[in-house]
Amino acid sequence: GQQLNQSPQSMFIQEGEDVSMNCTSSSIFNTWLWYKQEPGEGPVLLIALYKAGELTSNGRLTAQFGITRKDSFLNISASIPSDVGIYFCAGPREDDMRFGAGTRLTVKP
Amino acid sequence: GAGVSQSPRYKVAKRGQDVALRCDPISGHVSLFWYQQALGQGPEFLTYFQNEAQLDKSGLPSDRFFAERPEGSVSTLKIQRTQQEDSAVYLCASSLYRGREETQYFGPGTRLLVL
Repeated sequence: GQQLNQSPQSMFIQEGEDVSMNCTSSSIFNTWLWYKQEPGEGPVLLIALYKAGELTSNGRLTAQFGITRKDSFLNISASIPSDVGIYFCAGPREDDMRFGAGTRLTVKP
Repeated sequence: GAGVSQSPRYKVAKRGQDVALRCDPISGHVSLFWYQQALGQGPEFLTYFQNEAQLDKSGLPSDRFFAERPEGSVSTLKIQRTQQEDSAVYLCASSLYRGREETQYFGPGTRLLVL
């Protein structure tokens, strides 16, 4: 089952607003990944975090790897309609990858 | 295209029917993963190949599920005697090297509906 807890489960925001979502775990991860999935497609990697405390940006996206290595957040600034989708956090475990249940983002124009 | 491809994109099966789902990874990628994604959930790991070797199949839900990658490239996930609870999207991903901390590239998935 899922070992990563994501919140919120869903968000409805106005275009232009900033968005923040997070992911927590009871276990330590050495890598945190954030993926976006659009309907009918597979997840696409947005940001990868490799060091505790690391803050990484990719355009309007910023993600941080928590100091405890048990949490991460993703921020999206100045949201646009194409940001719509489901955002998943993920962490590699041995030879597999664990995913959170996702945050569904809806952006109203 | 150079991405991961999967076929069929959609499959409707009658309960009890066998199905085979195909994954073509990115050329040259060593690692290949299969995931099951139920509606409203994140992907859940099924099995992992490094070249033709199946190194981990701990996520396969039952012995009705079988995966192979005989030549270290294309992989097939077979589900025998399908049940309604097998209905899900089956995602395949590949990575250039050993998958643990390498970027995994996902295919579009096969949406399986068992009636």
